[in-house]
Amino acid sequence: DADVTQTPRNRITKTGKRIMLECSQTKGHDRMYWYRQDPGLGLRLIYYSFDVKDINKGEISDGYSVSRQAQAKFSLSLESAIPNQTALYFCATSGTAYGYTFGSGTRLTVV
Amino acid sequence: EDKVVQSPLSLVVHEGDTVTLNCSYEVTNFRSLLWYKQEKKAPTFLFMLTSSGIEKKSGRLSSILDKKELFSILNITATQTGDSAVYLCAVEVSGTYKYIFGTGTRLKVLA
Repeated sequence: DADVTQTPRNRITKTGKRIMLECSQTKGHDRMYWYRQDPGLGLRLIYYSFDVKDINKGEISDGYSVSRQAQAKFSLSLESAIPNQTALYFCATSGTAYGYTFGSGTRLTVV
Repeated sequence: EDKVVQSPLSLVVHEGDTVTLNCSYEVTNFRSLLWYKQEKKAPTFLFMLTSSGIEKKSGRLSSILDKKELFSILNITATQTGDSAVYLCAVEVSGTYKYIFGTGTRLKVLA
């Protein structure tokens, strides 16, 4: 099993729909992150959490919300999806060294 | 504003060539710099650099950091088609546990 698991792997949704992307990890890390990746823009931080009670906005949090249900689970919601939220979304965890461990990503298309 | 800039944006070479990828940064309080390789989806860790002038090496890949001039390079010698990927540079700002990513360099190695 992967250390960081994201579901779904791919999703197509309509404008205005609510959608949730899920992330679970077996690393035992406290720190979890959601990034989106767009061509030419690199990875940009949406939200991050350092423990279950600690949630923080990243640089592009508008239109997104998160929930840290447990140390191992961190979900990202798009309350009302819009086309410019079409992107590749990554969940990542971080321990004490060697940066992030990434999930395999969710490719989201909003039509 | 903290930022990480990678160059070139893309690069096409032939097998056997040597390539140098660049990453420059401006951050308020540097802690570490990481290099990742991204092929299909999830970025995979290559190197973490924290000290100037100490080369990290793994097979045909090597990297070095210059904290005075605020940049790092990633060298790949004797390139192979399997080196084709996007190479990401990320910088951690001390005390934040977050990484700021560059836009990446897309490398294509032709047979």
